[in-house]
Amino acid sequence: EIVLTQSPATLSLSPGERATLSCRASQSVSSFLAWYQQNPGQAPRLLIYDASNRATGIPARFSGSGSGTDFTLTISSLEPEDFAVYYCQHRSNWPPYTFGQGTKLEIK
Amino acid sequence: QVQLVESGGGVVQPGGSLRLSCAASGFSLSSYGMHWVRQAPGKGLEWVAIIRSDGSNKFYADSVKGRFTISGDTSKNTLYLQMNSLRAEDTAVYYCANQYFDYWGQGTLVTVSS
Repeated sequence: EIVLTQSPATLSLSPGERATLSCRASQSVSSFLAWYQQNPGQAPRLLIYDASNRATGIPARFSGSGSGTDFTLTISSLEPEDFAVYYCQHRSNWPPYTFGQGTKLEIK
Repeated sequence: QVQLVESGGGVVQPGGSLRLSCAASGFSLSSYGMHWVRQAPGKGLEWVAIIRSDGSNKFYADSVKGRFTISGDTSKNTLYLQMNSLRAEDTAVYYCANQYFDYWGQGTLVTVSS
């Protein structure tokens, strides 16, 4: 089973700063990786699929990159509503669809 | 407009059973696969199960295999999760999501406690 490891566990930044979140897979997942944002008490929201494609309605400040085992979610300039928990997920056509443990992005 | 609405959560004793429902609107379950994902209090997301659009292919996380059953009723456009032999570690908010994880329900809380 593929294990996804996210880093850092917590990231403290200020609005307007650039955020870089990492996700590393225990074996190659090609480009079958997605990113989600979750606010407290809410369902996750799909941000990025297939490593670098923004989902419908996602602002351009969110971008994804990587392939194989190393992936990055970048938020170019943080808005107040971006402070949340972010998860990566293995998204090939074959289960299990493993999630990373999450990165909490908090206001500094 | 796509909408997913879960129901059926509640408090159940260890060893008990519960059936969750996920009513879908805005699309047909016969056209898309569906997932269940759960989140224990204060913890991360855990994928639980998938049913493919044909209804015959189903896959489960090892943690629930043999205890949980995913199914769908296309006439009611509703997804189900039958949960048996429940354990304390099954306590979580359970979400249904569509095949591509771009639509999620609001979640329903299952608490396994004596």
